This record gives sequence, C-alpha cells and structure tokens, in this order.
Amino acid sequence: GAVVSQHPSWVICKSGTSVKIECRSLDFQATTMFWYRQFPKQSLMLMATSNEGSKATYEQGVEKDKFLINHASLTLSTLTVTSAHPEDSSFYICSARPGTGKAGELFFGEGSRLTVL
Amino acid sequence: AQSVAQPEDQVNVAEGNPLTVKCTYSVSGNPYLFWYVQYPNRGLQFLLKYITGDNLVKGSYGFEAEFNKSQTSFHLKKPSALVSDSALYFCAVRSAEGGNTPLVFGKGTRLSVIA
Repeated sequence: GAVVSQHPSWVICKSGTSVKIECRSLDFQATTMFWYRQFPKQSLMLMATSNEGSKATYEQGVEKDKFLINHASLTLSTLTVTSAHPEDSSFYICSARPGTGKAGELFFGEGSRLTVL
Repeated sequence: AQSVAQPEDQVNVAEGNPLTVKCTYSVSGNPYLFWYVQYPNRGLQFLLKYITGDNLVKGSYGFEAEFNKSQTSFHLKKPSALVSDSALYFCAVRSAEGGNTPLVFGKGTRLSVIA
C-alpha cells in the first residue's frame, strides 16, 4: 500500500514554544491530507483537512491560529502547534489518500506524540 | 451527518476461538466502510474495506467483515484469533455521495486475545 511518513515520532517541548510536525506521502501525490488528534484510550478526532495550495478547512472547535496547517506541495503537509501548552499534549496523526477517488482507503502516518512540559 | 458506533470498549477472546468486533453506522446514501487496526503508539493500519459488490469482504491477516445494509452493520470477524491480534480496532465510514469528505471513526474496540 501507499506510504505516509510522519516526523518527528516523539517530541517534548517547553510550554510556550512552537512545534512543527511533518507529514509526507512518499510514493503518491496527495492533494488532500487529514490531520487527526487522539487522546489516550479515545478515538481519532478530525482536526482539519489540509488542501494543497489553499487554506486548510478546520473542524468546529479547532483553533486555526493555534494549529497552523500548511500544504505547500503535493507530498507534504505540516502542522505547527503554536505556543504549546500542556493541554496540547496528545498523539497527532496525519493521513492521505492516493488519487481523488472517494472509495480509496486512507493511509496513515505513524503518528507524533507531543508532550508539552 | 455520518457516525459510527462500536458498542464494545473491550472484547476478550481465547486464542484459537473466533472473534467478532461489532460496528454499526449511520450515513446519508450508500456507505464506504473501513476497518483499521492500531498498535500502541503507532498509526493506523488498513485492514479491509467495503465499497460495493459482495457483502463479505476479506482483508489482511485473515480478517473479514460482512456488510449488512438492513442492519447498517459492518462487523469484523476472524475464524481463529491469535495473541498477536491484540490491538485497538477502529471502524470508519464515509458517504459515497457528495464531495471528498474525511472518514468518521468509531471510538475503537480493544481486542485482547488470551493464550
């Protein structure tokens, strides 16, 4: 199947700093990528839809100024957690789907665990 | 609105026994249905999907799922469980109609296979 790479896998930062997480589709082009957040022992919560060359679409309740998403190319989307606070500590997962068809499955990155001290 | 229900938080099964992880869905129009598995501190791995055609779908690692339109269900099954199947399983749905909408996930079911 298609490969989605996410980096870093783990990151620990101080409160008030910003953290960037990268999501790359390694063997396909992705006009759309999705960013999810997962709390311990809970399901995935969709944060935003990242669109190549245009602004991301955020889900209700997700602060766009807090979670900056940039989809500068067909293979790279980045999520920047700005001025991170302990409550932002979570597991962030990106996903993408080859092509534009809706029937295809999503491929997920390995996730990035953020711990804000 | 789309939604997925996984009624069981935890399923325990003895190794070698058949397993079932339940999933029901709600969606406008026809559904695209998916099962994913997640191991600790890892991303999600795709297991199988139903798009159209045969209601019984076979996927990775010996898993299968049956689409039941009248019951709006898509239960995951395996004839003989392995200890290595222990993980967190997510059911997901997307409507076949409309634009490029994201997947909606259930809350997940933790499967524990006991040797």
